[in-house]
Amino acid sequence: DIQMTQSPSTLSASVGDRVTITCRASQSISSWLAWYQQKPGKAPKLLIYKASTLESGVPSRFSGSGSGTEFTLTISSLQPDDFATYYCQHYSSQAVTFGPGTTVDIK
Amino acid sequence: QITLKESGPTLVKPTQTLTLTCTFSGFSLTTSGVGVGWIRQPPGKALEWLALIYWNDDKHYSPSLKSRLTITKDTSKNQVVLTMTNMDPVDTATYYCAHRLVNMGDVFDIWGQGTMVTVSS
Repeated sequence: DIQMTQSPSTLSASVGDRVTITCRASQSISSWLAWYQQKPGKAPKLLIYKASTLESGVPSRFSGSGSGTEFTLTISSLQPDDFATYYCQHYSSQAVTFGPGTTVDIK
Repeated sequence: QITLKESGPTLVKPTQTLTLTCTFSGFSLTTSGVGVGWIRQPPGKALEWLALIYWNDDKHYSPSLKSRLTITKDTSKNQVVLTMTNMDPVDTATYYCAHRLVNMGDVFDIWGQGTMVTVSS
């Protein structure tokens, strides 16, 4: 089974900061990676799929990059609405695996 | 507009079988490429994928839970049902159903609100 890790587990940042979250796969997953944002008590929201494709309606300050085993989610200028937990997700023809999450909180 | 809503018991006893229903609207599970998945989240913990059913009745399960899970669909009622046998307190979680982003792989673009299930005697 493919394992997903994320770093850091928690990130403290200020409004306007550039924020980068890393997701690593235990083996190559090509570009089969998605990113979700989740706020407390709410369902996750899809941000990015296929490593770098922005979901419709998601602000352009969010971007994704990477392929193989290392991926990044970047928020170019953190906004108050962006304080949340972010999950990466690998998807293949047979299984889905989520990462452990990265919480972005207020510095 | 696509919507999904989970329903089922809020409390189950250890060893019992959990049955959850996802009732959806705005799409059909007879349309090529469409799928519905189940994902759960224990309190304060990460998301865990459970199962996925496709328009062609293909089914995929989490390897670690496969022996306990069954996913089915009723296209006439626009429902997907997940059963999980032999429930344990560690299965206490919020259970979500979600719509698969058509033809983009098993990515979930629309989620239900989730339903909290507690396993306790």
